[in-house]
Amino acid sequence: EVQLVESGGGLVQPGRSLRLSCAASGFTFSSSWMSWVRQAPGKGLEWVADIKGDGSEKYYVDSLKGRFTISRDNAKNSLYLQMNSLRVEDTAVYYCARDLGGSGDFGSASWGQGVRVTVSS
Amino acid sequence: DVQMTQSPSSLSASVGDRVTITCRASQSISTYLNWYQQKAGKAPKLLINAASTLQSGAPSRFSGSGSGTYFTLTISSLQPEDFATYYCQETYNIPYTFGQGTRLEI
Repeated sequence: EVQLVESGGGLVQPGRSLRLSCAASGFTFSSSWMSWVRQAPGKGLEWVADIKGDGSEKYYVDSLKGRFTISRDNAKNSLYLQMNSLRVEDTAVYYCARDLGGSGDFGSASWGQGVRVTVSS
Repeated sequence: DVQMTQSPSSLSASVGDRVTITCRASQSISTYLNWYQQKAGKAPKLLINAASTLQSGAPSRFSGSGSGTYFTLTISSLQPEDFATYYCQETYNIPYTFGQGTRLEI
């Protein structure tokens, strides 16, 4: 059974950093494209970034480039999202997801339960 | 970026009704279109990808169609567990934009 478990969220002040983690199991992690998607309170879904199985390709939404970095450690079956210079508008539930096929291609078939990030002074 | 516009934004319906949600793309995206169902407080669930391919485990009352810029999600006979918010998502161009969502209410 595919399992994705996010961690690392919480309350953080504007301008600070946070690193989210996603522990994966039940599938061949190193072969899978993985994504981060976020959802602000009461709002819709926003695709954040994705990364190829070997980490050689990474794509981001333009608005977050330079502040957010996606990475992975295949030896630990873990996906990460480093978030720097956090802003109030980054407040959201962050989901990690396993993609079908290549980048995009066929959508995200498996999702974690989400981790809440609140940016506030 | 490709803009995805869903309609309606909300919809009231009854058990047994047939409902259709539409999703329009601001440019052609071939069939790189996915549909998700999200229930309150839960992660999204992939229902349909490639515009019309029903995912394993998704009920057959869900169907998708379309290509280019116009897509539809149809539920043939609403069941109580179908009341949720539905999102389309294009995966033709980065960033993989979602529609704003359609809230399906009783």
